Amino acid sequence: DTGVSQDPRHKITKRGQNVTFRCDPISEHNRLYWYRQTLGQGPEFLTYFQNEAQLEKSRLLSDRFSAERPKGSFSTLEIQRTEQGDSAMYLCASSLAGGRGWTEAFFGQGTRLTVV
Amino acid sequence: DAKTTQPNSMESNEEEPVHLPCNHSTISGTDYIHWYRQLPSQGPEYVIHGLTSNVNNRMASLAIAEDRKSSTLILHRATLRDAAVYYCILRVFNQGGKLIFGQGTELSVKP
Repeated sequence: DTGVSQDPRHKITKRGQNVTFRCDPISEHNRLYWYRQTLGQGPEFLTYFQNEAQLEKSRLLSDRFSAERPKGSFSTLEIQRTEQGDSAMYLCASSLAGGRGWTEAFFGQGTRLTVV
Repeated sequence: DAKTTQPNSMESNEEEPVHLPCNHSTISGTDYIHWYRQLPSQGPEYVIHGLTSNVNNRMASLAIAEDRKSSTLILHRATLRDAAVYYCILRVFNQGGKLIFGQGTELSVKP
């Protein structure tokens, strides 16, 4: 297994366009997390999935944002009508959750979004 | 969300030990203390975690105060590749295992 992979690594889009990012977690991991990170700040939690169920969404996740994990494997994060304030690094992480807690989270390299 | 407090930045010399402090006075009994680091242009990387006892792994050691209100990440011999932002995080059992990052400590290592 090569770890968590994210695609694309970089995306430049015009304001108002829609963008979609993909995350492929480590194959046996049932938990998947999305984070957003702006320059000089720590990553901010957006949402997480247990298998295909989205269990929590941050208040940061406005109505323009939607995340899916249709078969409990890969996940997509879509941003509709992008705004310049959406420019950030979008990070995906996965871990294995069980009765006694979770393994450590493994992060992907992130997708850097620039809205012009 | 459970909070941690860390210095904004620290400096170290190469091949010397580094002690990175973290305060978490509001920690509760089931919160795990996790440390991650983030190298430039990379996603965060797991370093170590603990609950009550001190922990060692190949990357670092974690010393946890007896009252669990503070902890220290110890890098035994800093290398230039250890220059990164280090995040101390409380992973809360009843919050789905999500990691809530603070500002972290930016560690610079001088040759």
